[in-house]
Amino acid sequence: GDSVTQTEGPVTVSESESLIINCTYSATSIAYPNLFWYVRYPGEGLQLLLKVITAGQKGSSRGFEATYNKETTSFHLQKASVQESDSAVYYCALGGMNYGSSGNKLIFGIGTLLSVKP
Amino acid sequence: GALVYQYPRRTICKSGTSMRMECQAVGFQATSVAWYRQSPQKTFELIALSTVNSAIKYEQNFTQEKFPISHPNLSFSSMTVLNAYLEDRGLYLCGARVGNTEVFFGKGTRLTVV
Repeated sequence: GDSVTQTEGPVTVSESESLIINCTYSATSIAYPNLFWYVRYPGEGLQLLLKVITAGQKGSSRGFEATYNKETTSFHLQKASVQESDSAVYYCALGGMNYGSSGNKLIFGIGTLLSVKP
Repeated sequence: GALVYQYPRRTICKSGTSMRMECQAVGFQATSVAWYRQSPQKTFELIALSTVNSAIKYEQNFTQEKFPISHPNLSFSSMTVLNAYLEDRGLYLCGARVGNTEVFFGKGTRLTVV
């Protein structure tokens, strides 16, 4: 089936350190998978951080980046130097049109709680 | 900018009773609205996808009889949790989209069942 697996949290890093949150996916019923990273800051709703709809491409936003790797079915989130304000829950998600159905949907990973220490 | 408001933000209901939650798109017209639930220790699961001019499509494990949805216009959707029990507790998220663009999410309605 379609699924997303990501690093289980919580993940704690110190400010200015590098970060990687792993994400792998399985897309058996989605014709053209799109990959997303969403972020949920404390008290806020879910926000799109970045997305990539074409395999081999890299998305980036707010210093974060992720590359859509079709060979390894991965979409790891990386940042070279995190800030305290990056503390949030990060969700990797898979989307796209399903075979034989109308509309499209997002399949989320479990979410990774990131805590950045000052 | 595009905003999605959900109401109420938090609610508590007695076991066996029902509660209704609302989702309002502001600044844009949502051609599709998706309702998700995040149960404790789990990720967001799609309950149903409602697209204008199409029937509401429920995912496996979720039914119209349990989670009736109304989507009367391009800016509003509501969902009711009928006969709520402990397993229905969690964060209910509404995601609204225009065409094939980004999905905008509300802050969610947190349901506690006592």
